[in-house]
Amino acid sequence: NAGVTQTPKFQVLKTGQSMTLQCAQDMNHEYMSWYRQDPGMGLRLIHYSVGAGITDQGEVPNGYNVSRSTTEDFPLRLLSAAPSQTSVYFCASSRAGAPQETQYFGPGTRLLVL
Amino acid sequence: AQKITQTQPGMFVQEKEAVTLDCTYDTSDQSYGLFWYKQPSSGEMIFLIYQGSYDEQNATEGRYSLNFQKARKSANLVISASQLGDSAMYFCAMRGPNSGYALNFGKGTSLLVTP
Repeated sequence: NAGVTQTPKFQVLKTGQSMTLQCAQDMNHEYMSWYRQDPGMGLRLIHYSVGAGITDQGEVPNGYNVSRSTTEDFPLRLLSAAPSQTSVYFCASSRAGAPQETQYFGPGTRLLVL
Repeated sequence: AQKITQTQPGMFVQEKEAVTLDCTYDTSDQSYGLFWYKQPSSGEMIFLIYQGSYDEQNATEGRYSLNFQKARKSANLVISASQLGDSAMYFCAMRGPNSGYALNFGKGTSLLVTP
């Protein structure tokens, strides 16, 4: 099992450009989520999904879109990048059900918006 | 809404000593989970330990234990016999029935283990 994979590992964008951060998991997990990590802020939830075709907003969804067409993939789209979106982005997945199910994190994507 | 508070931005501990990292939480949910993650300088998120809201005994995983005081809404992480490799950021997180069981994180505590 590869677990949770994220691509790219690092990306530089110019303000206004768009891009998609890829996330895939091979554990057949129902739940997937995207977080961003800024210095001194911990991780904050952007969007999450409880299954294919079902997504919802988290704490900081503005400027980001998601879709979940398959169980395995959960891409995060930046429609028009802004310097405020410079951050480290983590994707995570877990099995459905009770709170004790551990979330498995991908290695992260470092994004710099100039 | 859930809230996690970690009041120690940074901590120092000498090698082989024990250290306690504080975490308090606030939630109206009856069923929830509390997690601790370690983030070394390489950046990955490493799961350490879990405590369920209905668990009567404190969770332990090797050198890690969770001091769970439900009435006080605290879930402190205790690391025994600290090692140099324990130097990292430590995050407390809570998970409940909302938001697809996604985690709600505290701001973290930076731990430095000295020789």
